[in-house]
Formats: sequence, structure tokens, C-alpha cells
Amino acid sequence: NAGVTQTPKFQVLKTGQSMTLQCAQDMNHNSMYWYRQDPGMGLRLIYYSASEGTTDKGEVPNGYNVSRLNKREFSLRLESAAPSQTSVYFCASIRLAGMNTGELFFGEGSRLTVL
Amino acid sequence: GQQVMQIPQYQHVQEGEDFTTYCNSSTTLSNIQWYKQRPGGHPVFLIQLVKSGEVKKQKRLTFQFGEAKKNSSLHITATQTTDVGTYFCADNSDYKLSFGAGTTVTVRA
Repeated sequence: NAGVTQTPKFQVLKTGQSMTLQCAQDMNHNSMYWYRQDPGMGLRLIYYSASEGTTDKGEVPNGYNVSRLNKREFSLRLESAAPSQTSVYFCASIRLAGMNTGELFFGEGSRLTVL
Repeated sequence: GQQVMQIPQYQHVQEGEDFTTYCNSSTTLSNIQWYKQRPGGHPVFLIQLVKSGEVKKQKRLTFQFGEAKKNSSLHITATQTTDVGTYFCADNSDYKLSFGAGTTVTVRA
């Protein structure tokens, strides 16, 4: 099994450009997440999807949109990139959050630089 | 902001020594998870604690959940260079799965 697959792994954007980070999991998980990681800030939740058909804002949603395309896929879109969005982005999934149903599986991360 | 607070933010340890990192919450947690992230890598699940006062061990790592379920700790004995990385706790009480800021561990050989 591939687990959680994120694309692209690296991306450089100019301010104002848009892009979509793709994430797919093959573990039949219900809940999916997008986090960003900045030095000293830990993992901050951008958006999450508790189950197919639902999405909710996390701690730092401004400047982002998400789509839960189906049970497998959860994409993150930057409509107009800003230098403050330079970060490492992680997608993660879990069978069902909030329950004793196991662990979060993370993708390998997408390193985004906005110039 | 983050619901769970981790201290210390950085831990510099002499190889062979022990250390402890702490995770504290202002609210009662239904369960808490711990993850480790190696430099340049992604977080990897270590353990989940559910019961009040629960203690679990994985080789040199000991995890504890407080009696009031508002804090947790990770104690590493006889630190090795393989312990280098950032350790995160995560509140799995609801769908949000919020992480603490992490404790970054470096080891002096």
C-alpha cells in the first residue's frame, strides 16, 4: 500500500500565482487533514474533512480552500499565493478522528516557496 | 491557538542521559497521541493513551497520561543518537486533531 501520497513534493511560486496540492490515501480512511509546518510552530491545522462530503476550518484557514473530492482525495488550493504561505504542507488521514481508531498517517510533505 | 502546550521547545541531551518532555492541556482530553518526526521527514505515530493514569512503554520510551487526563509525558532513558527529532503530542478528543508545537531533541555524542 502507498499510504498517503502528496503531490507535488516541491514547488516554487510567485506572489499571486495559484496552485493546488493533491493528496490521496488508499487506506479507506474517513478523516483527512491538511497541516502546515513552520520552524518553531509545530503542525498547524489548515482544514480538515471529518468524513466524505464535509470540510471544516482549522486553526489557520485564511488564504486556502479545500475540496474533498471523494473518500480517497483531499486537495488544498492556494488561490493567490503570498510569501507568508511559504511552508511545508502535510496531508494526513485517520480511520476516524476523535475515536480510539488508530493513528494519523502522514504524506511525505510538500515544500512550497512563494517568492 | 494550540490547545495542547508542549515543554520544553528544545532539549539538548548528552548521549546516555535521560530526559522528559511534557504535554499540557487546559481541558480534559479523551485521548492523546504521540508522534516523532525525524529531521527532513514526516511525523510518525508512536503511541496513543486513553485511560487516566495510563503508562505505556516502548523499549527506552515511557509514556504517561495524567490522572486528570490534562497532561501527558514522554520519558526517554539512555538517550541515543537515533532519538534525534521532534516529538509531538496530539489531542485526539475531537475531529480537529490538534498538535502541540513539539519538543526538538538534539543529542551530543
